[in-house]
Amino acid sequence: QKEVEQNSGPLSVPEGAIASLNCTYSDRGSQSFFWYRQYSGKSPELIMFIYSNGDKEDGRFTAQLNKASQYVSLLIRDSQPSDSATYLCAVTRNNAGNMLTFGGGTRLMVKP
Amino acid sequence: EADIYQTPRYLVIGTGKKITLECSQTMGHDKMYWYQQDPGMELHLIHYSYGVNSTEKGDLSSESTVSRIRTEHFPLTLESARPSHTSQYLCASSELWGLRQFFGPGTRLTVL
Repeated sequence: QKEVEQNSGPLSVPEGAIASLNCTYSDRGSQSFFWYRQYSGKSPELIMFIYSNGDKEDGRFTAQLNKASQYVSLLIRDSQPSDSATYLCAVTRNNAGNMLTFGGGTRLMVKP
Repeated sequence: EADIYQTPRYLVIGTGKKITLECSQTMGHDKMYWYQQDPGMELHLIHYSYGVNSTEKGDLSSESTVSRIRTEHFPLTLESARPSHTSQYLCASSELWGLRQFFGPGTRLTVL
């Protein structure tokens, strides 16, 4: 079992719809969770982070965390073709300071 | 403007050559990282550093070496490049106990 699991996709949604990206993790000691967006051939860009159970909203993006279920998700409202990218989930490692473990990413395609 | 830089952006080189990938940051961060990422695959940590004169190996065994003589500079060296080293190399930085990592643009290395 991978430490951070994501469905590789592609996840295809129509423009204007809500895209829902999911991530599960195995380390119960993980405390902080990050979503990075990576366009093809580019480097990852941090778009959201969440530390506490519940929802955190930033513009069109909402991160949701459920530590009991070891589950974190990213919702993108009013999806735009420019949101088409690979979304990487990253979690901090227990007892490893600020080291991150990355998932393999979910490829999102937003169709006009 | 605070940023993180990598050079070269693209490198095509023959087997057996020695190469150095450069990474510099003006963000004032103590911690720096090198990741390796094959197309469509997850990021693998290969080296990291807590500060000057600190270097540690990451999760993925790598034949590369790193040095940290200056806070802002974290070069990666391959003494003898091989086709198996063909990949994208991403440099990142963070505050010493900060959780957010910021990535450079990456170096795409091809070894023929």
